[in-house]
Amino acid sequence: SQTIHQWPATLVQPVGSPLSLECTVEGTSNPNLYWYRQAAGRGLQLLFYSVGIGQISSEVPQNLSASRPQDRQFILSSKKLLLSDSGFYLCAWSFLATQETQYFGPGTRLLVL
Amino acid sequence: AQKVTQAQTEISVVEKEDVTLDCVYETRDTTYYLFWYKQPPSGELVFLIRRNSFDEQNEISGRYSWNFQKSTSSFNFTITASQVVDSAVYFCALGRPNTDKLIFGTGTRLQVFP
Repeated sequence: SQTIHQWPATLVQPVGSPLSLECTVEGTSNPNLYWYRQAAGRGLQLLFYSVGIGQISSEVPQNLSASRPQDRQFILSSKKLLLSDSGFYLCAWSFLATQETQYFGPGTRLLVL
Repeated sequence: AQKVTQAQTEISVVEKEDVTLDCVYETRDTTYYLFWYKQPPSGELVFLIRRNSFDEQNEISGRYSWNFQKSTSSFNFTITASQVVDSAVYFCALGRPNTDKLIFGTGTRLQVFP
């Protein structure tokens, strides 16, 4: 069976500091990978998705970036965090063949102070 | 345009009551997919169901049932005999074939009181 991991679970960072969130998937090969953000009390916003190593599509312009250095690893980064970056970050994966059903990780709660 | 509307922001019920969560979608695609996810207080989104646009058959899974009606562009979710553990935010989502994007509604927060 497939499992998806995210770390850290919780992070408190000062404004202007860098960010690196990691997501890994086990039990499958060549998955589609996604980063979402959920602001407090709001819905999910797709930030990035990837269909393969080194292939990243960005949905919204912002100070965040994503990378996929390995097949089952997806990283969300920032060089300088903003207060507005606070939120709940969810990573998701889907089978490449179907693409449509996405399975989510446990998430990372980020608080920027 | 693709859009999902969950008009109920928050619903409160007492345990053992039945509750229906509404989902209305907009799409011009003839083929599409609809989903329900559950987000408990821990935060992880749990996949509940996927329904293809060409399959309007309703589905029942234990206390959960889903009513898909293309005529009204709705995909409603009913919990029968609700329990405290059902307390969560529930999201409806729309997917298009061969794309990598899901369009989520804003979610409905369900609180079940003992």
